[in-house]
Order: sequence, then structure tokens, then C-alpha cells
Amino acid sequence: DIQMTQSPSTLSASVGDRVIITCRASQSISDWLAWYQQKPGKAPKLLIYKASTLEGGVPSRFSGSGSGTEFTLTISSLQPDDFATYYCQQYHSYWTFGQGTKVEIK
Amino acid sequence: EVQLLESGGGLVQPGGSLRLSCVVTGLTLSSYAMSWVRQAPGKGLEWVSAISGSGGDTYYADSVKGRFTISRDNSKNTLYLQMHSLRAEDTAVYFCAKDTTTFLTFAYFDYWGQGTLVTVSS
Repeated sequence: DIQMTQSPSTLSASVGDRVIITCRASQSISDWLAWYQQKPGKAPKLLIYKASTLEGGVPSRFSGSGSGTEFTLTISSLQPDDFATYYCQQYHSYWTFGQGTKVEIK
Repeated sequence: EVQLLESGGGLVQPGGSLRLSCVVTGLTLSSYAMSWVRQAPGKGLEWVSAISGSGGDTYYADSVKGRFTISRDNSKNTLYLQMHSLRAEDTAVYFCAKDTTTFLTFAYFDYWGQGTLVTVSS
């Protein structure tokens, strides 16, 4: 089974900050990685797929990079609507999510 | 507009059964594989089960294999999850999620339902 590990688990940041979340896979997954945003009581929302492709309608301040086992999600300038929990997901072999990174107000 | 709406959650005793449904509108359901993903209270996301567009292929997480059955009725645009021998650790919000492919070739999920809560407790 492929394990996904995100860091940090919690991140405190201010509006306007640049935020970077890291996701590591236990084995190579090429670029079969997606990022989701989830707000309390809501369904996850797809942000990025194939490691770096932005889903339609997602603001360009979100970007993804990486391949193999190391991936990052970057928010270039944090906005009030971005305070949420973010999950990475591998879909190279079955589906596995990271444990999540909560982005909270500093 | 694509919409997914789950139902069927509730309180059930350990060892009991429950069937979840997910009605999908705004697309031809048979064109897409579908999955169930769950989230225990205060925890992260866990993939549970997947089914191909035709229903001919299914996958299960080890944690539910032999207890849960995924199925679909494309004529009713509905996905199901039959759950038996429920345990306290199955307590979670269950989301249905749409795959971006027809076959179970592993892809990301582009649409999700709002979820239905299953509570297993005596």
C-alpha cells in the first residue's frame, strides 16, 4: 500500500502570506497526485490534479509541483477564503489520502 | 450542473446493516467510475470502495472487504453502498465521489456529494 505523509499537520499564517504544504509518498507515484481543499462540514473540493494542473475555476494563487515521491502545494498569497484543511491524494495505485494540513489564522 | 446527493445514513447498532445511496444528476452516470470515501469525526479522508462505470469491476479497502458491497443502477443514476457487520470504527461521514474515467484505472475525484453520517453505537 502507498502511504502519503503531509507536513505540517497545522500551519498558522496571515492573509497575504505565501504558504507551502508538502506531501511525500512512500513510493514513486509519478505525477498521479491531486490536492483537495475541505472546509468544516463541507465536501472536499478538487484544486489540482496530475500534480500541477489547476482545476477549472480554481484561483491561480494555488499551484502544485513535484513528481515521484515529493510534492508541494503553494498558495502564493493567502486569502481569507483559503483557511481550510488541505489533503493530498495519490491515484497511482488505488487511492490514498494524506492526513491533512489545517491552515489556520495566525 | 453535476450534483451528488447521499442518503441513508443514521444510527445503527454494532453488528447491524445499513445501505447508503448516492443520486447523481447532470451527467450520464454509466460514463464514470464512482467511489465512496469516508471521514471519521475529526479525522482525515479514507477511500472505502470503487466501482467501474458498468458496475463490472469493484475495489474495496482492506478495512471493509467482506463487509461492504458497492453497486450501482445506472438507469436510476444511483450509486449504493451496502454495509454489514458494522463496527464502531465505521462511524464516519460517507461521501460519494465521481471519478474522471469510466474504467477503474485510478483517477482523481472531481465531484463530491455533501456526505451522510453513519453512527455505529449501542
